[in-house]
Amino acid sequence: TQLLEQSPQFLSIQEGENLTVYCNSSSVFSSLQWYRQEPGEGPVLLVTVVTGGEVKKLKRLTFQFGDARKDSSLHITAAQPGDTGLYLCAGASFGNEKLTFGTGTRLTIIP
Amino acid sequence: DTGVSQDPRHKITKRGQNVTFRCDPISEHNRLYWYRQTLGQGPEFLTYFQNEAQLEKSRLLSDRFSAERPKGSFSTLEIQRTEQGDSAMYLCASTRTDYNSPLHFGNGTRLTVT
Repeated sequence: TQLLEQSPQFLSIQEGENLTVYCNSSSVFSSLQWYRQEPGEGPVLLVTVVTGGEVKKLKRLTFQFGDARKDSSLHITAAQPGDTGLYLCAGASFGNEKLTFGTGTRLTIIP
Repeated sequence: DTGVSQDPRHKITKRGQNVTFRCDPISEHNRLYWYRQTLGQGPEFLTYFQNEAQLEKSRLLSDRFSAERPKGSFSTLEIQRTEQGDSAMYLCASTRTDYNSPLHFGNGTRLTVT
């Protein structure tokens, strides 16, 4: 069974601070996706990373895929209250059509 | 933007009753997935369809659970003889078969078994 562990599980910080969320596994993934989910809604895709070592930026969000394709990180600069939500990483395996989701990081940005 | 639609949004049922949920995917998407999510956790895979064929089922899916996608469009997920442990959010997602095509999720059906 592939497991994706996210850390921290909960994070509450002040508006304007920086933060990093980690997604780790012992398995190799062909690609990794990050989603954000708000209460009462389904997850919404933020980014897909495919190449080991790849870095993608989405405004104040920076995503990195580990060189060995087993881990990923999400860094948010100058966090804003609108960044509040449940952040989920999800890995796709070679030849397997289902996504395995991580345990989630619940982020709260305090104004 | 039609998006993925799930019905109902909320369902409260008594233990032992049967429930059925419906998912209408984005029309051009031929893959459809069902996930289950408990509060504050990541979604857990249940099953997926390619067109009308059910290609994979999780070991989480006991024989009380059955899913169908008869015409390769909408899908239903039925839970028979519900138990309190079935209480969760049931999420449906659809996608194309392109490599790394993202999942588009519906807003889920929240099931509460009393």
